[in-house]
Amino acid sequence: GQNIDQPTEMTATEGAIVQINCTYQTSGFNGLFWYQQHAGEAPTFLSYNVLDGLEEKGRFSSFLSRSKGYSYLLLKELQMKDSASYLCAPMDSNYQLIWGAGTKLIIKP
Amino acid sequence: GAVVSQHPSRVICKSGTSVKIECRSLDFQATTMFWYRQFPKQSLMLMATSNEGSKATYEQGVEKDKFLINHASLTLSTLTVTSAHPEDSSFYICSARVGSLDYNEQFFGPGTRLTVL
Repeated sequence: GQNIDQPTEMTATEGAIVQINCTYQTSGFNGLFWYQQHAGEAPTFLSYNVLDGLEEKGRFSSFLSRSKGYSYLLLKELQMKDSASYLCAPMDSNYQLIWGAGTKLIIKP
Repeated sequence: GAVVSQHPSRVICKSGTSVKIECRSLDFQATTMFWYRQFPKQSLMLMATSNEGSKATYEQGVEKDKFLINHASLTLSTLTVTSAHPEDSSFYICSARVGSLDYNEQFFGPGTRLTVL
């Protein structure tokens, strides 16, 4: 079956760094997306990894290891507005996104 | 980036009525659109995949006669919730994929919050 595993909730301090881990099992693989979703809003795109390694984009970086079925999202210099849910979504062989429940990130001052 | 719009953003209706939600890709042609439903504090659940000019493919457990999907053009897909009931109250989100699978990103609409009284 297809499965996504992320921590349910994480707490971090403003200005700090946090890493959100994701392990996945899918039928085939066509890349992995990270999305940010604020409460009551639709997801917004953060990153896309299809090859192994680290992709850096400003304060956010995403890492992928296809052999391990593992990815992480790294958020630096945390701001209060980063409080949101972060969704790891691999794409299967049918080019469908597989969604987990996401990680709720709480930023404290 | 590509923009997807949804209308209405919020709708309240009486039980038994039908509600139509529109999803439009504003600056690109979307050969494939997806309809999701999200209940509070839960993950997105794919309801159906809609390809322009053909019948939608529904996920297991989603009633195709209750959730009518029409993808009449490359920029518009509609979801009609027929004979809505309170349990259909949810956040409905569409997304659109650009035509080329070389770039697989889905662009999400802002969502429609449906409340059935």
